[in-house]
Amino acid sequence: GAVVSQHPSRVICKSGTSVKIECRSLDFQATTMFWYRQFPKQSLMLMATSNEGSKATYEQGVEKDKFLINHASLTLSTLTVTSAHPEDSSFYICSANAGTSSETQYFGPGTRLLVL
Amino acid sequence: GQNIDQPTEMTATEGAIVQINCTYQTSGFNGLFWYQQHAGEAPTFLSYNVLDGLEEKGRFSSFLSRSKGYSYLLLKELQMKDSASYLCAVMDSNYQLIWGAGTKLIIKP
Repeated sequence: GAVVSQHPSRVICKSGTSVKIECRSLDFQATTMFWYRQFPKQSLMLMATSNEGSKATYEQGVEKDKFLINHASLTLSTLTVTSAHPEDSSFYICSANAGTSSETQYFGPGTRLLVL
Repeated sequence: GQNIDQPTEMTATEGAIVQINCTYQTSGFNGLFWYQQHAGEAPTFLSYNVLDGLEEKGRFSSFLSRSKGYSYLLLKELQMKDSASYLCAVMDSNYQLIWGAGTKLIIKP
C-alpha cells in the first residue's frame, strides 16, 4: 500500500526555537496533505490542509504564523513550528491523499515534539 | 454541526467477538473509515465503507448503513494485540475527515 513517512520521528528542542517536520509520500503523488495534532487520550485534531502549490487552509483556532506549512512538491509537505513553547509539545501526524478525488488518506507515523 | 459518536471504552475476552458502533451526523458523506491506534503511534487504516453493507477483511469486518448514519466494526477471534483505540472517521463533502473520539478496546485473557 501507499506509504507516508515523517521526519524526524521525535524531536526535543528548547523553548523559542523553530522546528521543521517533513511529511513525504514515498510511492505516490499527494496533491493534498493534512496535518494533525494529537493530545493524549484524544482523537486527532486537524490543524491544516496543505495543497501542492498553494497556501494551506488552516482550521479555526490554529495560528498560521506559528505553524507554517509549505507544500512545495507533490511528495513533500513541511510543518514548521516557529518559536516553539512547551504547550506546543504534542504528537504531530500528517496524512496524504493520492489524488484530488481519492477517498483514502494514508497516515504518516507521526512526529513527537517535546519543547523544554 | 458535525458529530461522530462511538463508545469511549469496551472490554472483551481473548478469542471472543466484539462489535464497536459508530453513529454520525455530517455535512455530506464521502465514506467512513475505521482506524486502529496503539498508544503512542499514529492511527493505522483498517477499513473504508462508502456503500451500504458489510466489508470483510480477515478477522475484521465493517458495516455501513448510510440511511441510519451508522457503522460498526466487528472484530473476531480477538487477540491481545487487538487492545487499542479504534477510531471512526467520516469524510465529509469537502473530503475532510471528521473524527470520532475513539473507542478504547481492552482485551482480557
